[in-house]
Amino acid sequence: EAEVAQSPRYKITEKSQAVAFWCDPISGHATLYWYRQILGQGPELLVQFQDESVVDDSQLPKDRFSAERLKGVDSTLKIQPAELGDSAMYLCASKGLAGPTDTQYFGPGTRLTVL
Amino acid sequence: SQQGEEDPQALSIQEGENATMNCSYKTSINNLQWYRQNSGRGLVHLILIRSNEREKHSGRLRVTLDTSKKSSSLLITASRAADTASYFCATDTGRRALTFGSGTRLQVQP
Repeated sequence: EAEVAQSPRYKITEKSQAVAFWCDPISGHATLYWYRQILGQGPELLVQFQDESVVDDSQLPKDRFSAERLKGVDSTLKIQPAELGDSAMYLCASKGLAGPTDTQYFGPGTRLTVL
Repeated sequence: SQQGEEDPQALSIQEGENATMNCSYKTSINNLQWYRQNSGRGLVHLILIRSNEREKHSGRLRVTLDTSKKSSSLLITASRAADTASYFCATDTGRRALTFGSGTRLQVQP
């Protein structure tokens, strides 16, 4: 069964350093999401792509976070510089069809710890 | 901000018992979805119920939706130790990505 791939699974960094996360959605899925999940809470959307275009980045802290999906396939989320409050799970999800009844498939996530 | 609120925040039951989790939300929705998350892992989709549906079943799962009360419940029957996880409701308003609640942590004691 096709899955969403993410790497790395775990990342430990010091504050002020740069970090990058990678996501490869299920083949053919045009919609890709990055969520951030703080321990004990539900995921919150950071950015949504439709193919290579950003359709919603209203919750993305643009002073330090950036995201791209250059060829409309895989995606990279970057944080520079990392802050202590960025420690969280970063989840990538993809969706294949248009309309409100389709399922988002999640990757295993990247657990970020900022020291 | 989180649209949904799950209740209870934590639930501990014995194997074989039923587990019920509730979700309340604030705005009109197209559908509501339930996800499971094992510790430190990604989310797994469990079931989706559309706004014009009132009840849906999938295996040992039963979901109800009351749009007049803006609430949903997830029932897991005959629970197993492997059901231990966090369960999240997520609402789809059709305007943006899913909005998740804060989750219910379920512990099933063998």
